[in-house]
Amino acid sequence: DAKTTQPPSMDCAEGRAANLPCNHSTISGNEYVYWYRQIHSQGPQYIIHGLKNNETNEMASLIITEDRKSSTLILPHATLRDTAVYYCIVSGGLSSNTGKLIFGQGTTLQVKP
Amino acid sequence: DADVTQTPRNRITKTGKRIMLECSQTKGHDRMYWYRQDPGLGLRLIYYSFDVKDINKGEISDGYSVSRQAQAKFSLSLESAIPNQTALYFCATRTPGLAGGPGANVLTFGAGSRLTVL
Repeated sequence: DAKTTQPPSMDCAEGRAANLPCNHSTISGNEYVYWYRQIHSQGPQYIIHGLKNNETNEMASLIITEDRKSSTLILPHATLRDTAVYYCIVSGGLSSNTGKLIFGQGTTLQVKP
Repeated sequence: DADVTQTPRNRITKTGKRIMLECSQTKGHDRMYWYRQDPGLGLRLIYYSFDVKDINKGEISDGYSVSRQAQAKFSLSLESAIPNQTALYFCATRTPGLAGGPGANVLTFGAGSRLTVL
């Protein structure tokens, strides 16, 4: 599975959009980009995933560049409850049938009033 | 009720004691996982199970064993606990899906079991 690089921390003002970047320059053609978040010491929570098209759900939007080497998770109106560690994970492909996800260090997002 | 339930939520034990962490799920998923989290190290996979008869080691299985008693239950055991096994442990299930396909790696995690080994 491809490795990802994320900034260690970011701040965002409450009510504003939070844009969390992720680099995955070694991603292969059949690998998906997944985003999870972990609110302090709770179990990680799935947010969204995508292959190459932009995706949106009730929690967030995922923008994947055309070359698929990077992506951005967008929380459109961040609230204090969105303060968490956000993990960008690349996984999938026919060679990866385990569902094993490699969690890196993630980005700690601090939403401030 | 939570989809994935872990017990106990907190446990303090002594070196050398046998400890079992239990996980049960109501999602009907075949695949279950045990992860460990240490500060600054992210989550690391201990064991995973594709079904009752299929158990696989993860990246840090030494010192641990598992039992898949039923589709809904997956237990993690520390036969002889040591202090460096002090950590936060998470159980998870995986949404069914074709390998590499949509949803193939969507995991639902439990709330965690905090284990302290003195």
